[in-house]
This record gives sequence, C-alpha cells and structure tokens, in this order.
Amino acid sequence: SQQGEEDPQALSIQEGENATMNCSYKTSINNLQWYRQNSGRGLVHLILIRSNEREKHSGRLRVTLDTSKKSSSLLITASRAADTASYFCATPQYNNNDMRFGAGTRLTVKP
Amino acid sequence: ETGVTQSPTHLIKTRGQQVTLRCSSQSGHNTVSWYQQALGQGPQFIFQYYREEENGRGNFPPRFSGLQFPNYSSELNVNALELDDSALYLCASSGTGALSYNEQFFGPGTRLTVL
Repeated sequence: SQQGEEDPQALSIQEGENATMNCSYKTSINNLQWYRQNSGRGLVHLILIRSNEREKHSGRLRVTLDTSKKSSSLLITASRAADTASYFCATPQYNNNDMRFGAGTRLTVKP
Repeated sequence: ETGVTQSPTHLIKTRGQQVTLRCSSQSGHNTVSWYQQALGQGPQFIFQYYREEENGRGNFPPRFSGLQFPNYSSELNVNALELDDSALYLCASSGTGALSYNEQFFGPGTRLTVL
C-alpha cells in the first residue's frame, strides 16, 4: 500500500516560477525522502530530511517537514524546463527495509 | 547516473512464462531493494536483500522471488507471469551503517511487458 500521498497530482508552470509539491503520510517516520523520475526512468534521490529537522535546502530545492501534521513540502525555486519530471516522496518503514512511495506529482515546466 | 545497472532494459513475455531480471549494485553497497512501478503509480516495494538474505518483503505473492550473490548483485524472478505484472521493475542499492537513514540509489529499470 502507498504511504505518501502527493498533492497536486499534476502541476504546470512557466519557467522561472516556483513549484510547490506537498506530501502527506500516515505512520511515524524517522526520515522522509524526495525523489525525481524522468519519464519512466530510474529515480534520482533529491533530498533526505530527518524527523528532527524542520527544513532543509539543497541548491534550488527547499524541503520542509511537519511531523505533527505528518506532511512535507518540496519547493523548487526558479524552475527550468529541465525540472520537468515526476516527483515522489518516500518514507522508509522498519529501518529502511520497506520504502513507501506516493503516486507522485507530475511537474511540467514550460519554456 | 548512479552506479546501479539493470538488465535487460526491455523484455516482452507471454502469460504463464517465467522471467529473471538482474541488478548490479553500486560499489560498496551490500543492500538491494526491488520495486514494481505500474504506469502512473509510485514504486511498490517487493523485497530487500542484505548480505544475501531476504531482509523484508512487501505485499507480493511467492511467485516473486529473489536472490543476492556474494558480490551483492541481485536477481528478481517472477514465475507464472500475469498481465498485471507488466510494469517497470526498479532495483535500488544502499550502503551499510544507519540503515534507516540510507539514501537509495536506483537503477534505470527494466520495462516488462506481459502479453
């Protein structure tokens, strides 16, 4: 079963705009990870945020985590056409044995 | 590009056949996880292998089985293929240490089509 639920399912923006994607999850976690997938290819790890962290930055990415609301957000600033991809949040279960993914947000950045 | 490789890239089988998918983990990683990703969905965890032993399994029937070799490469075997097994199969490797904080490195996937 899926753990994370991303919102929105699809997002279309213009190059230069910011993109925000949200993720909600159901059970307690010790970390939450965001991945990116280009058109049916393998997933690329973007960022990991631990349960005792509230915000984390990596380049143009900003991730927040609210464990009281069981939610996370991924912000991509100054988006580029190359950011067009599907973005997934994932939460490891039972010491990372079982990584639960949501259905993803499909982001389209128009040039 | 990660150091995780998968073969073959694409595969077409018919219902009832058996298939073996292969994965080579990134250098230094001793854990391999397999996922099934149906079109438009997120990956679903099949199972994980750690030091040649199964180390967790998702909600998949026994006809999905696996193996990990001493060099930490891995195979996914699916028997009695069904149409619903058509999907992208991803493997991911991760290292040792604090497993719960490990980033997973994904291969490019094998696209399986069952006719």
